[in-house]
Amino acid sequence: GAGVSQSPSNKVTEKGKDVELRCDPISGHTALYWYRQSLGQGLEFLIYFQGNSAPDKSGLPSDRFSAERTGGSVSTLTIQRTQQEDSAVYLCASSLSPTGGDTQYFGPGTRLTVL
Amino acid sequence: TQLLEQSPQFLSIQEGENLTVYCNSSSVFSSLQWYRQEPGEGPVLLVTVVTGGEVKKLKRLTFQFGDARKDSSLHITAAQPGDTGLYLCSSDSWGKFQFGAGTQVVVTP
Repeated sequence: GAGVSQSPSNKVTEKGKDVELRCDPISGHTALYWYRQSLGQGLEFLIYFQGNSAPDKSGLPSDRFSAERTGGSVSTLTIQRTQQEDSAVYLCASSLSPTGGDTQYFGPGTRLTVL
Repeated sequence: TQLLEQSPQFLSIQEGENLTVYCNSSSVFSSLQWYRQEPGEGPVLLVTVVTGGEVKKLKRLTFQFGDARKDSSLHITAAQPGDTGLYLCSSDSWGKFQFGAGTQVVVTP
């Protein structure tokens, strides 16, 4: 596709359920990033991938969060046993490489609501 | 972790007025990006500044990078309703990108 796509666009779930969020980066982009944005706030960095590897997972809020990337393309962010504080917009971005200053292209986000 | 502070948090102005938003850090930026985010969308990159003292212009937007590379400003001349959005600054440290909390700008006709 022409840009970064994310699915679903909206997800409403009950507390305690697991959710899986998907990101399709721009073709050829080796770097992929996940962020979380609470209402009216800036972006909280979660994790980035260089290819299929995640050099730094320290941004993940808890061990209920995990992410993987396969084939150097699609990535999934999984949240287990969701809590109400997990409610936020989850944004994915990709860039040609993770070097400083390289342009990140963002998807429209997945709005997660945990009831 | 480099903390990015943006000010003001919120700015409401009338069409035709000028505005300036700021991004500051106690640490030196390797590079700094400015983004604009509209409701329901992801941020869109406006500019990247790298060199201390650098000034970049994008139509009515002027971006300035401080000489010491610890601060940056975004100035909008003759703001229009289409400039409404959340303005975010971002910097990176070895692939981990940090974002400020943003300045919400509202331009009313």
